[in-house]
Amino acid sequence: AQSVTQLDSHVSVSEGTPVLLRCNYSSSYSPSLFWYVQHPNKGLQLLLKYTSAATLVKGINGFEAEFKKSETSFHLTKPSAHMSDAAEYFCVRMDSSYKLIFGSGTRLLVRP
Amino acid sequence: KAGVTQTPRYLIKTRGQQVTLSCSPISGHRSVSWYQQTPGQGLQFLFEYFSETQRNKGNFPGRFSGRQFSNSRSEMNVSTLELGDSALYLCASSPGSGTAKNIQYFGAGTRLSVL
Repeated sequence: AQSVTQLDSHVSVSEGTPVLLRCNYSSSYSPSLFWYVQHPNKGLQLLLKYTSAATLVKGINGFEAEFKKSETSFHLTKPSAHMSDAAEYFCVRMDSSYKLIFGSGTRLLVRP
Repeated sequence: KAGVTQTPRYLIKTRGQQVTLSCSPISGHRSVSWYQQTPGQGLQFLFEYFSETQRNKGNFPGRFSGRQFSNSRSEMNVSTLELGDSALYLCASSPGSGTAKNIQYFGAGTRLSVL
């Protein structure tokens, strides 16, 4: 079955240090992949999307993700964490019927 | 442009009751999808409506139903509520056509508590 696996349930970084949130997908073809962020008591906000145009995808708020087919990975990175980045992040793929399949989420904690 | 609007934001119901949640999509969007978010199961797809027709359905019992109106607004209904239905229900809209047709934009959700 098509799925996404987020390798860390929690990630803790200091403000100003790099962020790495890991995601692997299973698929027999190049999927449509997304990263969404959810702040407490809020809905999901789209950070970025991959749709096969370019392997390095730039998103909002300084986030980017690199699609690596050989590793079936789509990790999310940011050079320098900000306190406002503390939230839950979801790696998401779209299946062949255009449904979104969510990873289990990674909670990012940013220490001052 | 206004985003996806979900009403109400919070609901408290008792077991056995029924509930209706509402979602107004982004203007011009024709597709509306519904998701359930719980701590145990995470985010799960309920169903999708496009041009007033259910186009996709997840693995939920028949107590969960929905509909879409001609203005693309959608409602979700849950009958005979169970304690396990307590969740955040999220609605997402997408254009349904064009280059960005499948990119989904989410509302803030309706938090349902079943007592």
